[in-house]
Amino acid sequence: QVRLKESGPRLVQPSQTLSVTCTVSGFSVTSYHVSWVRQPPGKGLEWVGAIWKGGSTDYNSALKSRLSISRDTSKNQVFLKMNSLQTDDTGTYYCAKHYGYYFDYWGQGVMVTVSS
Amino acid sequence: DIQMTQSPPSLSASLGDKVTITCQASQNINKYIAWYQQKPGKAPRLLIRYTSTLESGTPSRFSGSGSGRDYSFSISNVESEDIASYYCLQYVNLYTFGAGTKLELK
Repeated sequence: QVRLKESGPRLVQPSQTLSVTCTVSGFSVTSYHVSWVRQPPGKGLEWVGAIWKGGSTDYNSALKSRLSISRDTSKNQVFLKMNSLQTDDTGTYYCAKHYGYYFDYWGQGVMVTVSS
Repeated sequence: DIQMTQSPPSLSASLGDKVTITCQASQNINKYIAWYQQKPGKAPRLLIRYTSTLESGTPSRFSGSGSGRDYSFSISNVESEDIASYYCLQYVNLYTFGAGTKLELK
């Protein structure tokens, strides 16, 4: 059974770095691409970035300078790091498995608040 | 970057109505559009991929069509369980979501 679960801090201070982990089961991150998608409270979905099954990455051009996505294949985990956080980075962060190039399975998301 | 213009932002429908949501891409996306349903507090759920292919488990009252830059998503005979927000997603060149459409009961 495919499962994705995000974990990370619920509260981050402005200017600090967000680190979120996506732990997957039921598939290998070396066989399927994984993306991060975020959603500010009450607003729409925004693609953040992807790590392809071969290990390369692509990022949202608006966020690229602050982002890093990596993985630990031995633990079947994908990591999101975003630095220089501001209040408008507050939201729910989801990881999603790709099937081909669209997203078929999603984690439950982790709500992150950027506040001092 | 490809932009996706989704409309309307909100819809009010009665049970049994047919509703339609549109997404226009800033360039030809060659039918690489998916549609997602999201209920409050939940992750999005994939309903349709490649313009009109229903994902397993998607009821047949949902449908999609379009080509080039212009795409639509419809629900015939709206049911109470369809009350949710809906998003289009282009995946021809990285990813862009539409702004979303909130479907409410009239």
